[in-house]
Amino acid sequence: NAGVTQTPKFQVLKTGQSMTLQCAQDMNHEYMSWYRQDPGMGLRLIHYSVGAGITDQGEVPNGYNVSRSTTEDFPLRLLSAAPSQTSVYFCASSSFNEKLFFGSGTQLSVL
Amino acid sequence: KQEVTQIPAALSVPEGENLVLNCSFTDSAIYNLQWFRQDPGKGLTSLLLIQSSQREQTSGRLNASLDKSSGRSTLYIAASQPGDSATYLCAVSLPNFGNEKLTFGTGTRLTIIP
Repeated sequence: NAGVTQTPKFQVLKTGQSMTLQCAQDMNHEYMSWYRQDPGMGLRLIHYSVGAGITDQGEVPNGYNVSRSTTEDFPLRLLSAAPSQTSVYFCASSSFNEKLFFGSGTQLSVL
Repeated sequence: KQEVTQIPAALSVPEGENLVLNCSFTDSAIYNLQWFRQDPGKGLTSLLLIQSSQREQTSGRLNASLDKSSGRSTLYIAASQPGDSATYLCAVSLPNFGNEKLTFGTGTRLTIIP
């Protein structure tokens, strides 16, 4: 049972480049979320989904897109990377009112 | 807007001591509260989840309590061990939402001194 799998673990981008962070879960969870973690600011919600075909914005959605075509996958797209998007990104999943499971994170640097 | 505060930001205690970590939140209309552990360079692991209707949850040496009316939760760790050294975060779910939308505190970095 792999849980929540995130790829890549590390990524360096130049300003203006685009990329997709991958997230997959094998627990048949309906809820999936993307957070970013910055020093001194804790985790902040970027986008979330309550099921296939349903997504919504969190606290800091600007510059990011998501889609949920299947229950298992929830990719996060950076449209045009900016230095302010340098952060550690976490994907998480859960069932309703159950414990949240996190991936191991993606450390992103934008130069 | 819900705000979650964890004080202190860092705590060091000798091995074997019992300790309490604190979490406070501004809006008492929460659905549930979770305590997480994060090791350096790793993801978060959920330790305990307390439903809004519950007062506490226990798992091994860990006990979490919830007082919604005062906007407070505590995580009690008994007989601390060096392996307990990590950052502990609490998070609350917003009213009318489940786990897809949590508000996190900034965490308490715990160091257990052998």
